[in-house]
Amino acid sequence: KQEVTQIPAALSVPEGENLVLNCSFTDSAIYNLQWFRQDPGKGLTSLLLIQSSQREQTSGRLNASLDKSSGRSTLYIAASQPGDSATYLCAVTGGATNKLIFGTGTLLAVQP
Amino acid sequence: DTEVTQTPKHLVMGMTNKKSLKCEQHMGHRAMYWYKQKAKKPPELMFVYSYEKLSINESVPSRFSPECPNSSLLNLHLHALQPEDSALYLCASSQDNGGLNTGELFFGEGSRLTVL
Repeated sequence: KQEVTQIPAALSVPEGENLVLNCSFTDSAIYNLQWFRQDPGKGLTSLLLIQSSQREQTSGRLNASLDKSSGRSTLYIAASQPGDSATYLCAVTGGATNKLIFGTGTLLAVQP
Repeated sequence: DTEVTQTPKHLVMGMTNKKSLKCEQHMGHRAMYWYKQKAKKPPELMFVYSYEKLSINESVPSRFSPECPNSSLLNLHLHALQPEDSALYLCASSQDNGGLNTGELFFGEGSRLTVL
C-alpha cells in the first residue's frame, strides 16, 4: 500500500528565505507526482506535475524534483513571500489502482 | 482561477434532508472525482468517474450517491447524513489517458458541508 509522508509538518521562515519541502513515498512504481497548494478553507491549486520519466519541473520561483528510485520529491521555493503561506501537499499516482494518494501536508508560514 | 466550479460553496443540512452538491468543468476532461477533506487532513478519495462511468468507489456509504449526467457535470446526492459527514467536499477533473488517469488534477474550491 502506497504511503506518502511530508516533512516537516509545519515550517515558519522569514520573508526572503529559500526553502525546501520534502515528500517521500514507499512504492516507487508511480506514474506521476503532483504538488498542490491549499489556502485555509479553500480548494487545491496545482503547482507542478512531474511525470515518472522526468527529474524536475520549474514554474517561476518553484522547482520540484523527483527521484523515483529513492522515493523522494522536493519542492524548492526561492525568495519566499508572505503570500506563499499555505499548506503544501504532494500526491502520487500509480500502482494497481491509479489512485492519487496524498501526503500529510506541510503548513508553511512566511513571516514579513 | 480554477476552471472547476462547485456549488454551493456552503451547505447546512439536517440529518433527514436531501441535498446535492454540483460540479462543472469545461476543460474537456473525461475523468472526474469527488474527494472528502476533514480539517487538517489530506483529501480522501470517494469516487472516480471515467467517461461518465463510475470506475472507483472507495467503499463510501450509500447515503452518498454520485451521478455523472454528462462529461462536464458531476453531482453528489446527499441523504440521511450524519454529523461526522461534515467536511469540505472537493471535486476534481483530469484528462483520462485510456484509463491510466495519469493527467494533472484540477480541483474546485470545494463545498463546505455542515450536518446538524
